[in-house]
Amino acid sequence: AQSVTQLGSHVSVSEGALVLLRCNYSSSVPPYLFWYVQYPNQGLQLLLKYTTGATLVKGINGFEAEFKKSETSFHLTKPSAHMSDAAEYFCAVILVRGGYNKLIFGAGTRLAVHP
Amino acid sequence: EAGVAQSPRYKIIEKRQSVAFWCNPISGHATLYWYQQILGQGPKLLIQFQNNGVVDDSQLPKDRFSAERLKGVDSTLKIQPAKLEDSAVYLCASSRLAGVSLDTQYFGPGTRLTVL
Repeated sequence: AQSVTQLGSHVSVSEGALVLLRCNYSSSVPPYLFWYVQYPNQGLQLLLKYTTGATLVKGINGFEAEFKKSETSFHLTKPSAHMSDAAEYFCAVILVRGGYNKLIFGAGTRLAVHP
Repeated sequence: EAGVAQSPRYKIIEKRQSVAFWCNPISGHATLYWYQQILGQGPKLLIQFQNNGVVDDSQLPKDRFSAERLKGVDSTLKIQPAKLEDSAVYLCASSRLAGVSLDTQYFGPGTRLTVL
């Protein structure tokens, strides 16, 4: 069955530093992978998604993620953190059923950005 | 384009009471989802509607939770009676297409439920 594991429930970086949020997946079929962001008191917003094709996926707000099949990973990165990036980030994988899809989320990583 | 609307935003009840949440998806979206997000965990799908039919309610505690989608548009999620472990944020989401598409899900702000 498809699942995702996010390594590190809390990550803290300095403003301007590299952001690296880790996600590993488990899937018996080629996975479809997503990163969502949740700002305080708001719903989730799609950052980026990998379906097929190019393994380096660019998303909104300067984030990108690379699908690495050999490492079963889909880590999220941003070269330079901004204070406004402080939020909770969720990695997710699609479980394909007969006639519909189902998103399976990881437990989330809370990103703190300090001056 | 208006986003997914949910109400109320916050609700505090005592255990064994009942509660209902309302969701208005983005206009024209065929698929509607209800998720439960317990503190420290990722969202868990409770129920998924395509138009006004249920396609997945495998993780909905049917002895106490119920949901309906009226005329394929608005939806309500009800808990009766509530337990302490139902304290969570209930998220509604919608997507434009039905079926096995990789269509983006758009989330509402959620309803934070506290059961005392």
